[in-house]
Amino acid sequence: KAGVTQTPRYLIKTRGQQVTLSCSPISGHRSVSWYQQTPGQGLQFLFEYFSETQRNKGNFPGRFSGRQFSNSRSEMNVSTLELGDSALYLCASSLVGSATDYGEQFFGPGTRLTVL
Amino acid sequence: GQSLEQPSEVTAVEGAIVQINCTYQTSGFYGLSWYQQHDGGAPTFLSYNALDGLEETGRFSSFLSRSDSYGYLLLQELQMKDSASYFCAGNTGFQKLVFGTGTRLLVSP
Repeated sequence: KAGVTQTPRYLIKTRGQQVTLSCSPISGHRSVSWYQQTPGQGLQFLFEYFSETQRNKGNFPGRFSGRQFSNSRSEMNVSTLELGDSALYLCASSLVGSATDYGEQFFGPGTRLTVL
Repeated sequence: GQSLEQPSEVTAVEGAIVQINCTYQTSGFYGLSWYQQHDGGAPTFLSYNALDGLEETGRFSSFLSRSDSYGYLLLQELQMKDSASYFCAGNTGFQKLVFGTGTRLLVSP
């Protein structure tokens, strides 16, 4: 079956702009998580959605937001872009929905965001 | 806070065995997972330890000791294609992973 897809793959924006990234999970997966990857900070959790509800959030400012639709597709939005937002944004989907059990997360190829 | 420390780089030759350690400080993880990431690629799942002990999956094994706040990934019969970055990650609930600092593995002929 098809893997996790993310669009766009590459994006160049300028400071102050906003951006919306999209993620389509594997069919049947209802959990979608977002991560930011940078050389300096590594992989950092942004938020997780399950059945359209945000269940968990990382330590990022309110400029970072997301949502999930009824078909499990998810979007994340970054407003008022800063140079430090340049990163690879990865989404991952999973079958597991419980609070404590862990289900293998399947990552998409990511969106490479460059802020000038 | 929650932090997971890994060696930054490990080198080995083809056919060898290598162990990548992960030590952590946290208020509590439900388990520890391992991911592999090739340059320019997405992380891919290798293993998950929900309980203390050893989990074996083919050439890869992973170990967890909660009492020691320590885990490791063991790679056997190394191949060139194993050259990649490896991350341990703690599951803090609701699919939230706190990733380690990452270890770059270089396999030489």
